Amino acid sequence: GQNIDQPTEMTATEGAIVQINCTYQTSGFNGLFWYQQHAGEAPTFLSYNVLDGLEEKGRFSSFLSRSKGYSYLLLKELQMKDSASYLCAVWTDKLIFGTGTRLQVFP
Amino acid sequence: GAVVSQHPSRVICKSGTSVKIECRSLDFQATTMFWYRQFPKKSLMLMATSNEGSKATYEQGVEKDKFLINHASLTLSTLTVTSAHPEDSSFYICSARDRDRHEKLFFGSGTQLSVL
Repeated sequence: GQNIDQPTEMTATEGAIVQINCTYQTSGFNGLFWYQQHAGEAPTFLSYNVLDGLEEKGRFSSFLSRSKGYSYLLLKELQMKDSASYLCAVWTDKLIFGTGTRLQVFP
Repeated sequence: GAVVSQHPSRVICKSGTSVKIECRSLDFQATTMFWYRQFPKKSLMLMATSNEGSKATYEQGVEKDKFLINHASLTLSTLTVTSAHPEDSSFYICSARDRDRHEKLFFGSGTQLSVL
């Protein structure tokens, strides 16, 4: 089977840093995506990792360890608008989504 | 950036009717399109994968006769929810894989289906 697990909910304070973890066990691996989704909207692409290491893009960074089946999304300088669901997804021969993490940012 | 157009964005229908949802890639050719379903506060659940010109591949537990998928061209895929019932009420979203940028998937804006 395919398992992609994330914490269900997280809370953080404006201006802080938060790390959202994702662990996966899948049949095949061709890359890992992170998406942001606000309620009632389509997911928005944040990052794509296919090789081990850290990819930095502005306030957001994503890390991948293929040997450990592990990734995290790091959000710095949190803003209120970062309150959303964050979805980890693994590309096998199709894109399988994790359970999703609802992040709430408080002032 | 690439755009995927999904229509309608919202539909309300009576139980027993069929609803068709369209997903179009506007500025790229999509060899593969994926259809997802999302319940409130839940993640996206893959329903089926459709490849242009061939039959869709459905995920386990998804009824083929209930959710008809057609991918007639490189820019259009449709999902038809047949004889809809209240339990089919959900957010349906498509995504398209760019033939030339394999690592990229682009999402439609989603369709909120409410069956009365």
